[in-house]
Amino acid sequence: DGGITQSPKYLFRKEGQNVTLSCEQNLNHDAMYWYRQDPGQGLRLIYYSQIVNDFQKGDIAEGYSVSREKKESFPLTVTSAQKNPTAFYLCASSLRNSPLHFGNGTRLTVT
Amino acid sequence: DQQVKQNSPSLSVQEGRISILNCDYTNSMFDYFLWYKKYPAEGPTFLISISSIKDKNEDGRFTVFLNKSAKHLSLHIVPSQPGDSAVYFCAATPGSSGSRLTFGEGTQLTVNP
Repeated sequence: DGGITQSPKYLFRKEGQNVTLSCEQNLNHDAMYWYRQDPGQGLRLIYYSQIVNDFQKGDIAEGYSVSREKKESFPLTVTSAQKNPTAFYLCASSLRNSPLHFGNGTRLTVT
Repeated sequence: DQQVKQNSPSLSVQEGRISILNCDYTNSMFDYFLWYKKYPAEGPTFLISISSIKDKNEDGRFTVFLNKSAKHLSLHIVPSQPGDSAVYFCAATPGSSGSRLTFGEGTQLTVNP
């Protein structure tokens, strides 16, 4: 059963701590993406990767880092430099020239 | 700078009637547009798309209309069903692919039985 798995579904962290969100896909998609959703706002692109060992900043990359060591995995680290980390984070993947497939998201709360 | 805008945060319609969700964009480079549907605590799922070379695309109960001169697109759902109740996001991209999308804020559709 192919899909995108994001874990955990809910994550709580103290301010000042880095936290890594997991995203795994078994769809054999080359491209992977991280979006952030805030209440009343659309999804905003954080980082994306079109091929293993390569990634680009999206519109709101500050305070985040990613890696793409394997085709199926694209973890996102929310660093202490991110000023407003509490949000709903969505990972997606796609084949070239095809719509994005999304995971079910991770809700991160930082207090 | 909100390049894709959905001005109605919410819409309520009766079951069986038509739902019309609207979306405006400002970037002239956008030439491929998509609609996604999102249920609570789930990721968005792709619904329908349209290329700028067309002005209409239909898939079952869902039709997307594109007016390039007005930089406006709309999603029509007819007949609306209670299971259509969800948040609908409009998205756009300056390319033929569905990637590197810019999303609108979303419209919460409620279909009442």
